[in-house]
Amino acid sequence: AQKITQTQPGMFVQEKEAVTLDCTYDTSDPSYGLFWYKQPSSGEMIFLIYQGSYDQQNATEGRYSLNFQKARKSANLVISASQLGDSAMYFCAMRLYYGNNRLAFGKGNQVVVIP
Amino acid sequence: DGGITQSPKYLFRKEGQNVTLSCEQNLNHDAMYWYRQDPGQGLRLIYYSQIVNDFQKGDIAEGYSVSREKKESFPLTVTSAQKNPTAFYLCASSTDRDSRNSPLHFGNGTRLTVT
Repeated sequence: AQKITQTQPGMFVQEKEAVTLDCTYDTSDPSYGLFWYKQPSSGEMIFLIYQGSYDQQNATEGRYSLNFQKARKSANLVISASQLGDSAMYFCAMRLYYGNNRLAFGKGNQVVVIP
Repeated sequence: DGGITQSPKYLFRKEGQNVTLSCEQNLNHDAMYWYRQDPGQGLRLIYYSQIVNDFQKGDIAEGYSVSREKKESFPLTVTSAQKNPTAFYLCASSTDRDSRNSPLHFGNGTRLTVT
């Protein structure tokens, strides 16, 4: 079974600065996808970015980018130019390509953006 | 607009009562999921269904039941056998045709309180 680890304590970041959220995972399967979601205080889960295990380049999506290091089994999310609306919980998740389509989640990182 | 609707947003029940949480999607997605979230925790999979009239247990299925009689609907029943039912419940869906990189789309969640 896949395991996702997010261990950073809550983070405070200054508005307009960048923040990196750590995510490590553990699987023996070489084929998988990694996802990041944002959960604001209202509770909905918002999809941010996806990285496939065979993708040659790091994924980017607007202000979000993924620092994917396959050998180290890490997929850190970088948020550039933080905005007050970025204050939320951020969850890393993984799905095995040839599994049962289940998405396994880490416990999340709390980010608070301060003006 | 297409999306996932969960109702109600807040639900209160007395201990010993069964309660059913509604989840409806109009995204024409094949797969649907139920997750549970406890404070400070990630999402844990309760049940999932990849096709109508079929569903599988997730990691914490005990005390829960589901049905998938229609593609659009995946209701979750929290039974009296569930020892700690108070939690935030999230329903999600995804297309199964290209499941490798298709993200889960989430509803806004139902916060269940059992006293």
